[in-house]
Amino acid sequence: SYVLTQPPSVSVAPGETARITCGGNNIGSMSVHWYQLKPGQAPLLAIYYNNERPSGIPERFSGSNSGNTATLTINRVGAGDEADYYCQVWDSSGDAWVFGGGTKLTVL
Amino acid sequence: QVQLVESGGGLVKPGGSLRLSCEVSGFIFGDYYMSWIRQAPGKGLEWVSYISTSGTSKFYGDSVRGRFTISRDNAKNTLYLQMSSLRVEDTAVYYCASLYGSGTATPFDYWGQGTLVTVSS
Repeated sequence: SYVLTQPPSVSVAPGETARITCGGNNIGSMSVHWYQLKPGQAPLLAIYYNNERPSGIPERFSGSNSGNTATLTINRVGAGDEADYYCQVWDSSGDAWVFGGGTKLTVL
Repeated sequence: QVQLVESGGGLVKPGGSLRLSCEVSGFIFGDYYMSWIRQAPGKGLEWVSYISTSGTSKFYGDSVRGRFTISRDNAKNTLYLQMSSLRVEDTAVYYCASLYGSGTATPFDYWGQGTLVTVSS
């Protein structure tokens, strides 16, 4: 089955840029989606189709995808961005939706 | 305003059964593909099951295939997950989520807040 690899944690200072990676074999050929999870809240779609932002998501959020790595970038990070972030793809060979292990973003 | 509200979670013994429901409002439920996704305590997200708009196409994750059954009632705007032969490792918060568009590579655009299932003796 297809495996997505994320760093367990990323820490950044307020106002800096956070980059969260998602590794997978030839992931650049797939559509990657990113979700934000905060305690007690419904998960939120943050980026879809690699670099599209849903309405309501700040322009500070962006995505890229090439080769074996997809990246979620959050500019000018604030305390409100502290959350767990998950990447996700559709694995056509296994008929399954696959999530990465998640990355905890900490704002120092 | 889109709302997905899960219910039916609770404490169940290993080997037992439970049925989860997800009531949807704010969009035409019958037009959307739907899924169940879970998160075990301290763990990441795991996709559980998928159902097409008409209910004729269903997929399951390897860990639940043969034990869980997904279904829907479009007249009641409700998604279900019948869980049987439950195991301790099925303990998790279960989310229902809608799929954007009609393809399998589409994202999960709306999620509920989840319902907790605890399997313990």
